[in-house]
Amino acid sequence: AQKVTQAQTEISVVEKEVVTLDCVYETRDTTYYLFWYKQPPSGELVFLIRRNSFDEQNEISGRYSWNFQKSTSSFNFTITASQVVDSAVYFCALKTSSNQFYFGTGTSLTVIP
Amino acid sequence: NAGVMQNPRHLVRRRGQEARLRCSPMKGHSHVYWYRQLPEEGLKFMVYLQKENIIDESGMPKERFSAEFPKEGPSILRIQQVVRGDSAAYFCASSQGPRGTEAFFGQGTRLTVV
Repeated sequence: AQKVTQAQTEISVVEKEVVTLDCVYETRDTTYYLFWYKQPPSGELVFLIRRNSFDEQNEISGRYSWNFQKSTSSFNFTITASQVVDSAVYFCALKTSSNQFYFGTGTSLTVIP
Repeated sequence: NAGVMQNPRHLVRRRGQEARLRCSPMKGHSHVYWYRQLPEEGLKFMVYLQKENIIDESGMPKERFSAEFPKEGPSILRIQQVVRGDSAAYFCASSQGPRGTEAFFGQGTRLTVV
């Protein structure tokens, strides 16, 4: 079965704090891809990052970083120095050989000024 | 290069009417996916299409829902005889190819059935 779990439904942080959004996935595929999308209040889905199952290198892009660990089937997303503009719903997604995306239920992040 | 374009952004239909949602993929993208987002839920896969072909419709309700992606023109998600439970945001995504290529999403169509 393919499944993505985002256990944190809502998170609130104060501006400039560090926040980590958790993502745990399940799949029997050996080749798969993991994604993070951001959905701001305006509603669109914005692509943030893609990782394939063979590349466990962590990635940093500005204030964003991603920690992919196959041993724990996790693909966590960290925002440092959070800003109000980071307030959004963040979705983790899994794409497998069936070519479907399996999305988590999302984590709603609120950054308080 | 315009992104994925969905229209309309908002659609209001009375129960029993038909809803047509359109999706124009990004230029050069031949793979289209439709997802439905219900309040407080994640996105649920509905259907995956390539030009003129339905590849996977395992997420589509068996009745009243259909999708197409003709050789020319946008992909259409059609909901016949809408009911209140169809009220949701419907997102379309497109990708250049299958498997690991990232999919880019449109802004969604918010369907409200009154």
